[in-house]
Amino acid sequence: EVQLVESGGGLVQPGGSLRLSCVVSGFNFGSYYMAWVRQAPGKGLEWVANIKEQGTEKYYLDSVMGRFTISRDNAKNSLYLQMNSLRAEDTAVYYCARYRGHFDYWGQGTLVTVSP
Amino acid sequence: DIQMTQSPSTLPASVGDRVTITCRASQSINSWLAWYQQKPGKAPKFLIYQASSLETGVPSRFSGSGSGTEFTLTIDSLQPDDFATYYCQHYNNYPLTFGGGTKVEIK
Repeated sequence: EVQLVESGGGLVQPGGSLRLSCVVSGFNFGSYYMAWVRQAPGKGLEWVANIKEQGTEKYYLDSVMGRFTISRDNAKNSLYLQMNSLRAEDTAVYYCARYRGHFDYWGQGTLVTVSP
Repeated sequence: DIQMTQSPSTLPASVGDRVTITCRASQSINSWLAWYQQKPGKAPKFLIYQASSLETGVPSRFSGSGSGTEFTLTIDSLQPDDFATYYCQHYNNYPLTFGGGTKVEIK
């Protein structure tokens, strides 16, 4: 059974940092692109970042470029999102997802709240 | 960036209805389009890829069509479990973008 389990969300002040993690099981993690997708409260889905199988290529939403860093550790079946200089508009549920053009498997999400 | 526009934003419907949701891209995306279903408090569920290919395990009452800039998701004979919000997403190039969503609600 495929499982993606995110952690690391919480309340952080504007300008602060947070690191999200996603542990994966049930498929060969190192053979797939992975991604982070977020959803602000009551809003739609927004792609945040992708990372290639070996981490050699990364792609970001313009509004997070330079503030967020996606990374992975294939030995630990883990995906990460380091978020710095957080803003109120980054408040959202963050999902990790397996990416094959489409996002075919999703985690349950972790809530990040940026507020004073 | 490619903008994805869904219509309608809300779709009142009854069990047994045939419903159609439209997704338009601001430029051609060939057939690089996916559809998802999301229920409140849950992660999205992947339904359709490459505009018309049904993911394994998705009921056959769901179907997708279109290419270029105009796409549709059709649900034949709506079931109680189908009341949810549906999103389209292109994967023609970066940045990947989603439509704004269509909420299928009970009429």
